[in-house]
Amino acid sequence: QVQLVQSGAEVKKPGASVKVSCKASGFTFTTYAMHWVRQAPGQRLEWMGWINAGNGNTRYSQKFQGRVTITRDTSASTTYMELSRLISEDTAVYYCARDAAGAKKALDYWGQGTLVTVSS
Amino acid sequence: QSALTQPASVSGSPGQSITIFCTGTSSDVGGYDYVSWYQQHPGKAPKLMMYEVNIRPSGVSNRFSGSKSGNTASLTISGLQAEDEADYYCNSYTSSATRVFGGGTKLTVL
Repeated sequence: QVQLVQSGAEVKKPGASVKVSCKASGFTFTTYAMHWVRQAPGQRLEWMGWINAGNGNTRYSQKFQGRVTITRDTSASTTYMELSRLISEDTAVYYCARDAAGAKKALDYWGQGTLVTVSS
Repeated sequence: QSALTQPASVSGSPGQSITIFCTGTSSDVGGYDYVSWYQQHPGKAPKLMMYEVNIRPSGVSNRFSGSKSGNTASLTISGLQAEDEADYYCNSYTSSATRVFGGGTKLTVL
């Protein structure tokens, strides 16, 4: 069965960076794209970017361009999202999600979410 | 990329039907049939409910249906049930090869 298991909660100070991992299982990792989506407390879902797990190509939301880096380790079937220069408004639950097969351009499986708290 | 526009809230009684609208632009909703919808219960990860405007993933009730006209997509839930109470988000592929979510709609089953 498809599973996306994310790393645990993080507490960071303003100005620091955070790196969240998402380990995939139950499918051939390199044949899919993986996305990162965040949700601030009580707020909407916000798409951050995606990575083609096969060739490593990435695309980011303009809002996060220059601050976010999405990578993958194919040997570990894991994708990573690193966000730098953190501010309090980056406090949110960060989700990874799989792009559905067949170019449906929908997110069919989601990780459990990782809470990142930015506080001095 | 601005968020797609959704009503903040909708409500309906059990057994009734409701429709949630999602308005974008010709660069996203209007330009592609790649609109998807997600249901999110409090404290849970989102769940895919509809993709490519009107296709239900396996396991999603046929009480859910989707459509699109111009720059506006919609999700209709018929025969409302208490378990449908949740937040709903639309999402679209964009001309920049990115994705964009709507602002979210809170569905209350009265």
